Amino acid sequence: KAGVTQTPRYLIKTRGQQVTLSCSPISGHRSVSWYQQTPGQGLQFLFEYFSETQRNKGNFPGRFSGRQFSNSRSEMNVSTLELGDSALYLCASSSVSGQRNSPLHFGNGTRLTVT
Amino acid sequence: GEDVEQSLFLSVREGDSSVINCTYTDSSSTYLYWYKQEPGAGLQLLTYIFSNMDMKQDQRLTVLLNKKDKHLSLRIADTQTGDSAIYFCAEAYMDSNYQLIWGAGTKLIIKP
Repeated sequence: KAGVTQTPRYLIKTRGQQVTLSCSPISGHRSVSWYQQTPGQGLQFLFEYFSETQRNKGNFPGRFSGRQFSNSRSEMNVSTLELGDSALYLCASSSVSGQRNSPLHFGNGTRLTVT
Repeated sequence: GEDVEQSLFLSVREGDSSVINCTYTDSSSTYLYWYKQEPGAGLQLLTYIFSNMDMKQDQRLTVLLNKKDKHLSLRIADTQTGDSAIYFCAEAYMDSNYQLIWGAGTKLIIKP
């Protein structure tokens, strides 16, 4: 079974631009969560999608948005990029919404650098 | 608010046991997880324990849960160089709709 696939692996953008990151979950998984990982803030939850609906949202500004398609693939968009948005963005999938006994399976992430 | 705390670093000699500790604040936790992150990679689930258990063993890994003290530990027996990674503790609890609350991660350093 293929794992969670994130593209692209690396991205360099300049301030003010916008960026779209993509995540393909494990086949059969309908929940996709996005996290931002930085050395200073650790792992921060962005949002979770399940069956094309946003189920949960973290404390990030409206510049961060996402969506999920009918095939469970998800995209995350960041508009008007700031230097502080430089981070590793991780996508994780699970079979159900909310963790309970269904653990998260992570992709290798997209490393975004904003200059 | 809810919080999960871990030490940032742990250094052990190859072949020794590593014990990574984690404390959490929410008493309604249902599941507690340990994830491993190797350099340049995402997080990999190592093991998890339900809050009505006090111990779980899986090969070289032993998880101990002390609910009274809200303390979780991960013991890695016979630590190898391949165990070098950052280890994250996370809890899921009912009031957060089971969204995970994460620790900051413990970097395990192996000395030859």
